[in-house]
Amino acid sequence: AQRVTQPEKLLSVFKGAPVELKCNYSYSGSPELFWYVQYSRQRLQLLLRHISRESIKGFTADLNKGETSFHLKKPFAQEEDSAMYYCALRDYTGNQFYFGTGTSLTVIP
Amino acid sequence: NAGVTQTPKFRVLKTGQSMTLLCAQDMNHEYMYWYRQDPGMGLRLIHYSVGEGTTAKGEVPDGYNVSRLKKQNFLLGLESAAPSQTSVYFCASRDSHSGAFFGQGTRLTVV
Repeated sequence: AQRVTQPEKLLSVFKGAPVELKCNYSYSGSPELFWYVQYSRQRLQLLLRHISRESIKGFTADLNKGETSFHLKKPFAQEEDSAMYYCALRDYTGNQFYFGTGTSLTVIP
Repeated sequence: NAGVTQTPKFRVLKTGQSMTLLCAQDMNHEYMYWYRQDPGMGLRLIHYSVGEGTTAKGEVPDGYNVSRLKKQNFLLGLESAAPSQTSVYFCASRDSHSGAFFGQGTRLTVV
């Protein structure tokens, strides 16, 4: 069963516009949610995790347990934000990470 | 501090050949993972390990084997490569409290 769903494969926004990358999860316990970013031909990097409630590179994400969502948001997109973004969930045992299929974000100059 | 290092970075195999991918981490992490990344399918977990000497199957383990003889190394083996195993392979490691740290990936083509 798909535990992490990212409904948008591709997303394009203009520079300076707000951006929201959607992530929904399906999990019966209390998951830990993450966002990872992969710039062109680079390794995946941790962008943020919900338990730390921090803002990285202007991105924020709030865990909404009622809607089982963990959408990634940024008020003003920059060209350097163009990348592949993956939402991930760690199960209650802490052993496995489940990744969504990713959203490719393109910021248009 | 190298973090997570994968060897090799690129490889072309013929169908039926075998090979081993090496993942090495210098962060003393307990947990290690092997994923494959395919277009439109995201990252899928192949095998993982929760400590030295242990391994477990992930979502797509068929055709792969792994070993964790040393804490810092996690090996992924393909016994008889198939074109369906053409992919980009990522290794990751973490400790009990961190998110996963990824290697730079291995691009494998099976012809």
